[in-house]
Formats: sequence, structure tokens, C-alpha cells
Amino acid sequence: KNEVEQSPQNLTAQEGEFITINCSYSVGISALHWLQQHPGGGIVSLFMLSSGKKKHGRLIATINIQEKHSSLHITASHPRDSAVYICAATSRNTDKLIFGTGTRLQVFP
Amino acid sequence: KAGVTQTPRYLIKTRGQQVTLSCSPISGHRSVSWYQQTPGQGLQFLFEYFSETQRNKGNFPGRFSGRQFSNSRSEMNVSTLELGDSALYLCASSPTGTKTYNEQFFGPGTRLTVL
Repeated sequence: KNEVEQSPQNLTAQEGEFITINCSYSVGISALHWLQQHPGGGIVSLFMLSSGKKKHGRLIATINIQEKHSSLHITASHPRDSAVYICAATSRNTDKLIFGTGTRLQVFP
Repeated sequence: KAGVTQTPRYLIKTRGQQVTLSCSPISGHRSVSWYQQTPGQGLQFLFEYFSETQRNKGNFPGRFSGRQFSNSRSEMNVSTLELGDSALYLCASSPTGTKTYNEQFFGPGTRLTVL
């Protein structure tokens, strides 16, 4: 079992839909990261959080430390949101980033 | 500020050769981390350097090594290349700090193909 699990693996949506990607982890963490990777490989850090909720534009990230669970929400999705979204946890014990396998999102007009 | 840069962007090598990849962090960032991304294993942490010292290391064989220079630029080296080393190698820098859970700023990656 991976230490960081994401679901779903693939997600298809129509433009305007509300999207949720889930991330569960089994290790103690210092921080939880949400990353976005577009075709071609470049990765952008969307959020880094250790508690509560953060919002940036149409993106919202939440984390529940007790349940070891985080969610990434996209409101009013747009085709330009199509990308792979990756959850990663900084292990409290090792300081290493442990990555989930990613969620491939496709948003159609 | 300029972003993280990596050179070269693409590289083709044959088995048994060695390769050196370079990463220039964002100005003022002293931490540089390296990651390997493959279709089968996904993203995996290779190592992290801070102030010219390797601060953390992933579970990779000794063929993978790195270093950091006084200007924070970093190189990673892979010796005796194997087909399985074909991957996207990503470098990320983060602001100064004693912990690694700072936000990571990623470079565009170097795509290595081993034939």
C-alpha cells in the first residue's frame, strides 16, 4: 500500500463543473502539497498546507489532520485546468517528499 | 525573478554511459532537491542539498550522485546508465530554512532517454 493514495486516478468533467480530488496518507506529516503538472512535464506548486484550508482563485485545498485526508477542489472548472494533479506529503520523520500517483483531469468545453 | 532552470532539456544516452544534469535554483534559494519521474514508479525523491551539503537522500543506488556549488547551483550524475534510468529528472528549489517543508519551485525537467 502506498503511503500517499489519491483518488480518482482519472477524472473527466464538463466545463463549469465542481471537481474534487482526494488524498489520503498513512505517515505523520509536516506538510501536504498539491502540485499541478501539465503535458510537457512542468510542475507548479499549487498549495502547501499543514492545517485547515487555503484558497487561491478557483482552487481550494483542505486538510483534516486527524483523518489524514486532504482534498483539492476546483470550482467552475475550465479546459485549461486539464492537467495531472499530484498530492505529496513531507514525512515528519524523514523530511522527504512522498508522492501520490496523481489524478489525470480532463475538462471538456 | 527568474525561475528554476535545468540543462539540458533533452538527452539521449546509451547503456553504460554516464550523464550529468544541471540545475540553477531561483536566486536566493539555498535548497535544491532532485526527483525522478517514470511512468511506472511516478515521482520519487532522489536527494536534497542545502548549503553545499547533502541533507537528505532517497532510496536510489550509488550510481546516482549529486553535488551543490557555493552559488547553490546543483548537478546530479548518473553513472553506468541502465535502460530503467530513462525518466524525467526534475529539480526543485525552495527558500532558505532548516526544514524541507518549504514550498518547492520546480524546474522544467530534463528528459533522459537511455538506449
